[in-house]
Order: sequence, then C-alpha cells, then structure tokens
Amino acid sequence: EPEVTQTPSHQVTQMGQEVILRCVPISNHLYFYWYRQILGQKVEFLVSFYNNEISEKSEIFDDQFSVERPDGSNFTLKIRSTKLEDSAMYFCASMGPKRNTEAFFGQGTRLTVV
Amino acid sequence: QKEVEQNSGPLSVPEGAIASLNCTYSDRGSQSFFWYRQYSGKSPELIMFIYSNGDKEDGRFTAQLNKASQYVSLLIRDSQPSDSATYLCAVNPWSGNQGGKLIFGQGTELSVKP
Repeated sequence: EPEVTQTPSHQVTQMGQEVILRCVPISNHLYFYWYRQILGQKVEFLVSFYNNEISEKSEIFDDQFSVERPDGSNFTLKIRSTKLEDSAMYFCASMGPKRNTEAFFGQGTRLTVV
Repeated sequence: QKEVEQNSGPLSVPEGAIASLNCTYSDRGSQSFFWYRQYSGKSPELIMFIYSNGDKEDGRFTAQLNKASQYVSLLIRDSQPSDSATYLCAVNPWSGNQGGKLIFGQGTELSVKP
C-alpha cells in the first residue's frame, strides 16, 4: 500500500542550527502539507503546497520556515534557525489527485531542539 | 478563527460496548470531515471521512454528520482494547481554503477496558 515516508524519524539539533526535514509523498498525489504537533497539544497546520508553490500557510509558518520540492519526489521543510519552541513532531501529509479528499500522513519526525 | 472542538476525555468504555465520540466545528462552510486515530507517539491514521449529511458505515465504525448543527460524530461498535487511542476530528474548511488544509480538534482519548 502506498505510504508517505519521512526522514529522519528523530532529529536532535542545537538552538540556532538549520534543519531540513524530508518527506516522500504518495506518488500520484498533488497536494502536500506539513503539520506539527507539540507534545500534548493538537495537530497544527503549517503549510500547503501545490503546483510547486505554497497555496496556504499558517501564522506559525514565519520567515524561519521554507518548503520546496527539489526533484519532483521529495518534499522538504527547512527551519533556518531553530528555537527551543520548535521542538515537536512534524508530520508530512499528501492528498490527491483531487483536492479536499483524504490526507495521508507520514510517520513523523520528532525534532528536539536543545 | 476556525475551530474544531472535541471533548478531551478520557472516555472509558468496557470491551464490546459502543464508544461515541463527538466533534463540533465553527466554520459553517466546511465541506469534508475526517476521523483519525492516533496512538501515543505515532502519526494520525485515517479511519473514516464523510462529506454528506447522515450516516456512513465502515465495518465497526459509523460516522455521522449534521451540517445544520455543525456536528460530526464517530461511533465504534464492539469496542476492543486495541481501539484504545486518541481520536482526532479534522475538518477541511472550505471558506477561503485554497489548499485543502485540515483543522484538527484536540482529540478524545478513548480507553477500552477488557
């Protein structure tokens, strides 16, 4: 069964360092998302991406965050200068080919900023 | 601010009983509704989705949607200990939504006692 794959499963980084979280969406999906979940809190939308551009982003997704799809397969989330409060589970999700159908989530990357 | 509200629980039911999970949403223009299951430390796993008013059944699960009341529920029949998890209600708000994002509730923790 097709699945969304995320790497790494766990990333520990020092405050101020840049991190890149990677995702391989389901192959025929066209809509891609990043969500995060701080421990004990709800899953929060960060950004949606379609046709090689951001279609929507939340207030959380500030200038420290960026996304790209460099090679038509991987979908990445970059955090330029990590802060302690960026520590969370980051989930990639993909949807499609039609919009507003089911979104399937990857297994997540646990980011710990120390 | 578009909101999705769930009773955080924990909801405790005996094995074999029916578990009823409820969710309300604030965006009247919302078009699609999803129930995800999340085990501790894991990613959300899609259980069911519903778009139209009424009931939708899939095995032991029944989703119910009432758009007039802005209410969606999930019934789990013949609950099993393996159903013990946090159940997330997610709504795809249509209003101004270009990218198919999901707004999640905080989740209801379900515990099924043998």
